[in-house]
Amino acid sequence: AQKVTQAQTEISVVEKEDVTLDCVYETRDTTYYLFWYKQPPSGELVFLIRRNSFDEQNEISGRYSWNFQKSTSSFNFTITASQVVDSAVYFCALGGILTGGGNKLTFGTGTQLKVEL
Amino acid sequence: DTEVTQTPKHLVMGMTNKKSLKCEQHMGHRAMYWYKQKAKKPPELMFVYSYEKLSINESVPSRFSPECPNSSLLNLHLHALQPEDSALYLCASSQDVDRGSETQYFGPGTRLLVL
Repeated sequence: AQKVTQAQTEISVVEKEDVTLDCVYETRDTTYYLFWYKQPPSGELVFLIRRNSFDEQNEISGRYSWNFQKSTSSFNFTITASQVVDSAVYFCALGGILTGGGNKLTFGTGTQLKVEL
Repeated sequence: DTEVTQTPKHLVMGMTNKKSLKCEQHMGHRAMYWYKQKAKKPPELMFVYSYEKLSINESVPSRFSPECPNSSLLNLHLHALQPEDSALYLCASSQDVDRGSETQYFGPGTRLLVL
C-alpha cells in the first residue's frame, strides 16, 4: 500500500524567512512518481512539480526547491524568502495506477503554511 | 494551457433538489476525475473516466451520478444529497491513464452547501 506522511500540520513564518515542508512516502513500487500541489484559500489545487524515482537531482524553480532523497524516502519542499502569497495548504502526493484505468494520487494530509508580515 | 474550468463556483441546495456540477478541459486529456474535499482534509477520489468510460467508482453513494458526454466534459449530477455531502468538489484531468506518472490538473472547484 502507498502512504504519504506530512508530519507538519501547520507552519507559521515571517515574510522573507526560508521554510521547508517535509514529505515522507512509502511504496513498494520500484518506479514511482511524486508530486507537490499548492492549495490557496480559493480552493484550486495548483500543480508545482512532478519527480520520478529515477531522478534524484534536486530541482530549483525560482524561490522553490525540492530535495528528493530515495534513501530516506523523502521529498521535501523549500521556499526561500517566503512571501505572504505563499500562504496556502501544500500537499505532497504519490502517483500510482488504478486497476481499471486512471491514475491514483495518494495525498498526504497537507501542511498549512502561514506567512505573516 | 493547463486549464480546467468548473461551474458553478458555489452551490447551495436543499436535500430534495437536483443539481449538476460541470467540468471542462480543452487539453486533449483522456482521463477525468471527480474528487470530494472536506475542510482541512486532502481530496478523496470519487470517480475516474478513462476515454469517456467510467473506469473507477470509489464506492460513492448513488445520489452522486457522473456523466461524461464527450472527451472534454464531465458532469456530476446530484440528487437527494445529505448535509454531510457539503464539501469542495474538484474536477481534474490527466493526459493518459495507464501510467502513474501522469500529472493531474485540477479545476478551481465547486463549493457545495447542502441544507
